[in-house]
Amino acid sequence: DTGVSQDPRHKITKRGQNVTFRCDPISEHNRLYWYRQTLGQGPEFLTYFQNEAQLEKSRLLSDRFSAERPKGSFSTLEIQRTEQGDSAMYLCASSSRPTGRETQYFGPGTRLLVL
Amino acid sequence: QQPVQSPQAVILREGEDAVINCSSSKALYSVHWYRQKHGEAPVFLMILLKGGEQKGHDKISASFNEKKQQSSLYLTASQLSYSGTYFCGTLVTGANSKLTFGKGITLSVRP
Repeated sequence: DTGVSQDPRHKITKRGQNVTFRCDPISEHNRLYWYRQTLGQGPEFLTYFQNEAQLEKSRLLSDRFSAERPKGSFSTLEIQRTEQGDSAMYLCASSSRPTGRETQYFGPGTRLLVL
Repeated sequence: QQPVQSPQAVILREGEDAVINCSSSKALYSVHWYRQKHGEAPVFLMILLKGGEQKGHDKISASFNEKKQQSSLYLTASQLSYSGTYFCGTLVTGANSKLTFGKGITLSVRP
């Protein structure tokens, strides 16, 4: 399967711990996006990469959140000092062209629960 | 600003039709429709571009009224597999790839 993959699929952690999620985009896609989705809501934009460059970050992405895409392929999203409010589904998406003319394809997500 | 989707929920019998709507207060470049089933990733259905171009699912149709900044998704002869939550994602003109999603509409198709 050549779709977007994310790892892990589920993560349970205690408040105050650090967590890291990985996203592998569709192989020929140079654009990669991170979203957060809470129950009953649509995905909320967090950040966006074109190749290895992080082009935009949402105000939702506090100083505890950092994302990287060091070689322009896979990406990681790290949350430091997790809080209960960080509990959500973290979705990754990728596209091959600017979103205006091409859509974004989503991975299965990582569901985070902070106890 | 988040697009507004309506109605909030739809319940259908198999074979019935439905229309779900998405409206924005901002000038849009494109509208993207997705369906999400519980615990799964959103799945792409349709993209509607400013100027009338459409790309997507051949059994689902949609419209985009550029003057009103509104889009509608038309589900005809619904099947059980159509059940899920439908999201519209809007790209505001000049927004550089950032999609803003509505809260979603839950659609249930019953036998």
